[in-house]
Amino acid sequence: TQLLEQSPQFLSIQEGENLTVYCNSSSVFSSLQWYRQEPGEGPVLLVTVVTGGEVKKLKRLTFQFGDARKDSSLHITAAQPGDTGLYLCAGPTTYNNNDMRFGAGTRLTVKP
Amino acid sequence: ETGVTQTPRHLVMGMTNKKSLKCEQHLGHNAMYWYKQSAKKPLELMFVYNFKEQTENNSVPSRFSPECPNSSHLFLHLHTLQPEDSALYLCASSQVLGQGNYGYTFGSGTRLTVV
Repeated sequence: TQLLEQSPQFLSIQEGENLTVYCNSSSVFSSLQWYRQEPGEGPVLLVTVVTGGEVKKLKRLTFQFGDARKDSSLHITAAQPGDTGLYLCAGPTTYNNNDMRFGAGTRLTVKP
Repeated sequence: ETGVTQTPRHLVMGMTNKKSLKCEQHLGHNAMYWYKQSAKKPLELMFVYNFKEQTENNSVPSRFSPECPNSSHLFLHLHTLQPEDSALYLCASSQVLGQGNYGYTFGSGTRLTVV
């Protein structure tokens, strides 16, 4: 069924700390995407990773796609209150490119 | 105007009402989607339209009825809803190329409350 499990479910840290959140599956995905969603808004695409082992950086955010393309991680360096939000990973199922599965998300709170 | 626009942002309706949600995308994408987001549950795909043709209907109750008159507009018609249908309804669009789906652009959503 190509489920995506995200951990931790909740994370509360102080400004300036580093953190890593995870997205895991027992299934292979052709690509994985990370989104951030703020309260009252829709998710915003941060990055798409396609190649196993790929690492992408977006300012203080580092995204990694597992070698086997079954998992991904998001690392934030020196977190800021503006990083607060719900982080979602998602990927298309192997049988239908239009069927995007989402994880339940990691709700991050960065306290000033 | 760019991006994906959803209206209304908030909607309160009774169980016997009929209402419609509207979505418009200005990105030239070829696919549009309706998702339901409930508290403590992952985003649930409801409907997919690819080149205006419905390609997915993930066992959504018939009280939800989609309409896609062209590749830029998507509607979700609602009637005789139940309180458990209260949720954030998100519209998204994407450019699907062959085997690739490289990400969605979401609207801000409609917060629906059924009373």
